[in-house]
Amino acid sequence: SQQGEEDPQALSIQEGENATMNCSYKTSINNLQWYRQNSGRGLVHLILIRSNEREKHSGRLRVTLDTSKKSSSLLITASRAADTASYFCATDTTGANSKLTFGKGITLSVRP
Amino acid sequence: GAVVSQHPSWVICKSGTSVKIECRSLDFQATTMFWYRQFPKQSLMLMATSNEGSKATYEQGVEKDKFLINHASLTLSTLTVTSAHPEDSSFYICSARMAGEYYEQYFGPGTRLTVT
Repeated sequence: SQQGEEDPQALSIQEGENATMNCSYKTSINNLQWYRQNSGRGLVHLILIRSNEREKHSGRLRVTLDTSKKSSSLLITASRAADTASYFCATDTTGANSKLTFGKGITLSVRP
Repeated sequence: GAVVSQHPSWVICKSGTSVKIECRSLDFQATTMFWYRQFPKQSLMLMATSNEGSKATYEQGVEKDKFLINHASLTLSTLTVTSAHPEDSSFYICSARMAGEYYEQYFGPGTRLTVT
């Protein structure tokens, strides 16, 4: 079953703009992770944020987590055409023997 | 580091035949491997979790006799789609979790299966 629900489902922006993607989930989590998938390829892990963290940065990526609202956002600053991909949030509900539940994904198109 | 490979990257087979997909962790030992299925423009659906040396745990609705999983070593897991049918056509992705880690999974590049 799917837990994460991203919005918007599709996002088209101009190169240089910021892209914000949101993810909501339903149950308590241990951590939440964001992945990128280029068309027809495997997933690339972007960032993991634990349930006791509120914000995390990695390069041009900024992730926030609001456990009271059961939501997370991924911000990509100064977007590039190479950022064009599908982005998924995945929730991890347990610690040991954990497994990920993926959202439906957001398709990001960055126009050069 | 933490590279996962899959073989083949794509395969076309005839209905009724079986297909084996390999998932290898190239530079680390993976105590746990996961198999996902992804339909076009959709999310990843977890099919099963396999731990080295033990039977795989299948998600609800996944036929264990149709999707045979063998995790024979700390670097190799295989998924065999038995008696494949066109509805089994999909993108199959494996991931591996490193021994001693609890959270991060490293994903393979995926295998595109087309059943004609």
